[in-house]
Amino acid sequence: DQQVKQNSPSLSVQEGRISILNCDYTNSMFDYFLWYKKYPAEGPTFLISISSIKDKNEDGRFTVFLNKSAKHLSLHIVPSQPGDSAVYFCAASVWSGANNLFFGTGTRLTVIP
Amino acid sequence: DTAVSQTPKYLVTQMGNDKSIKCEQNLGHDTMYWYKQDSKKFLKIMFSYNNKELIINETVPNRFSPKSPDKAHLNLHINSLELGDSAVYFCASSQDTAGSQPQHFGDGTRLSIL
Repeated sequence: DQQVKQNSPSLSVQEGRISILNCDYTNSMFDYFLWYKKYPAEGPTFLISISSIKDKNEDGRFTVFLNKSAKHLSLHIVPSQPGDSAVYFCAASVWSGANNLFFGTGTRLTVIP
Repeated sequence: DTAVSQTPKYLVTQMGNDKSIKCEQNLGHDTMYWYKQDSKKFLKIMFSYNNKELIINETVPNRFSPKSPDKAHLNLHINSLELGDSAVYFCASSQDTAGSQPQHFGDGTRLSIL
């Protein structure tokens, strides 16, 4: 039973344009959300996070938006760069829990030069 | 300077064998985890230890036994390996158990059962 879903397995974007990666969750107990980036043969690397008390968090070219009522979050990358090509995982947790992260299945982003 | 390191990177073995994967973190974190990524790329937690104490034990067969000799190490021993155990196993660590603490991952161990 997957509580975090990324329905787009892949996304291709031209360099310089915006990349939008989407994520949906079903468990209303989740109150902290994270995005991880993964290159082949490496482990996931933390990218950006957002607490449920916010609806937006920005860090450089990366912005995460949270819509609690829709149980939806998105990661915006602008401008996209070829080095951003990787698999992006959305994850969710309960702030006061045991830091048990629930991951989506990932979206493979390809930025075309 | 690797933060979370796991060995070996690749492990190929026969069904029925027993094997171990080692994990070490040099970040001074209190909490460590084991995840399994299956063939569908679904990353799912198996175990979590905080200060050497088990705090998460998801529905994992008894053949899997984690051991934490100290805060910096969390090893995974697997008995009687089965074909379905073939996967990539990731070790991770975080400052503590708060859900807001990002987890830092190792590069994974790809286990292949023949």
